[in-house]
Formats: sequence, structure tokens, C-alpha cells
Amino acid sequence: AQSVTQPDIHITVSEGASLELRCNYSYGATPYLFWYVQSPGQGLQLLLKYFSGDTLVQGIKGFEAEFKRSQSSFNLRKPSVHWSDAAEYFCAVGAGGFKTIFGAGTRLFVKA
Amino acid sequence: GAGVSQSPSNKVTEKGKDVELRCDPISGHTALYWYRQSLGQGLEFLIYFQGNSAPDKSGLPSDRFSAERTGGSVSTLTIQRTQQEDSAVYLCASSFRDRGDIQYFGAGTRLSVL
Repeated sequence: AQSVTQPDIHITVSEGASLELRCNYSYGATPYLFWYVQSPGQGLQLLLKYFSGDTLVQGIKGFEAEFKRSQSSFNLRKPSVHWSDAAEYFCAVGAGGFKTIFGAGTRLFVKA
Repeated sequence: GAGVSQSPSNKVTEKGKDVELRCDPISGHTALYWYRQSLGQGLEFLIYFQGNSAPDKSGLPSDRFSAERTGGSVSTLTIQRTQQEDSAVYLCASSFRDRGDIQYFGAGTRLSVL
């Protein structure tokens, strides 16, 4: 069955430090992969997506993610975190048909 | 409007009452999704509408939950005889087609069942 695992429930980083949020998926074929961000009281907003082609994907707000088929991973990275990046981040996989399976999310805290 | 609109933003109800949650998707989007987000949990898929096809209701947790989509646009999620465990944020999303497309989310309805 398709699944998405985000092993870190929460992460705290200092402003200006680099960030990596982990995501592993289980899916038999080449998946469609997404990262969404949810600020408090808001819906989810797409950061980036991977469908095919270049495995390093650039997104909004300076985020990028790399698809590694051998590791079934799609980790999200940012070289320098800003206080406004504090939010909850969801990894998702577009599975068969219409369903998008979401991970449980990783809450990012940014300290000054 | 430009985005997905959900109403009400907050709903407090008593156990046993029925509630209706509304979603107004982005114009032209044929796919509409309902999710439930409980505290500290990921998004739980509830139901999916695509065009004029029969909706996929496989995610609805019980027969107290139902949803409809009128005229291929506005959708209403109804929860009958609410229970405390129904307390959650209910998110609606729409997309142009299906899984390959970006989903655009509303801000959600926070439901509190007392």
C-alpha cells in the first residue's frame, strides 16, 4: 500500500541555519511527489512538486527537494532558514488514480 | 473568488447535532477533495469528486458523514449526530484534474464538538 513517512514530528533550527526535512514514501511505480506548507490557521500551500525529469526540484521561498529513487526519499532542503519559515510541512505522494497520500507532517520551529 | 473558500471558519456544536460545512472551489477546477486534519495528525482523505463521475467515498469514516457537490461546483460536507471525536479541522481542496495536479486548499473549518 502507498504510504508516506515523515520521521521527524518537529524540528528546531536557528535562523540562518540550513534545513533538511525528511520524507520517505512507499509506492510501486514512479510517484508524483509534493511538499506543502501550512502556516497556522491556513490551508496548505504547494512548495514544489516532482513529476519526472530532473531529480532536483526548485520551489518557492528558496526551498528545493531531491528525489532519490534508490532510497525512496524526497527530502526538502533550504540553505538558510528565515523566521517566517516556521510552519508545518507535509510531504505527499500522488498515488494511483486520484488519491494523494499525505505524511503526518513535520512542524518547524525557528529560533532567533 | 481567486481561491478555495470554506465556511464557516469555525463551528462549535453540541454532541448529537448535525453540521454542514461548505466548500467553494476555484472556478474551472473539476476535482474537489475533502480531508480531515486532527490535532497532531496528517491529512485524512475523506471523499473525492471529479466532474460528473460518482464520488469516491472510500475515506468517509462512518455513515454519519456524507457529502454532495451541486452543479460541479460548491460542495457540502454533512456530519450527522456529531460526536466528540469528530472535532478536527476539515479541509477542502480543488484541482484542475486529478493526482498529477496541484491541489489548492481552503483555510479549513475548525469543528469543535462539545
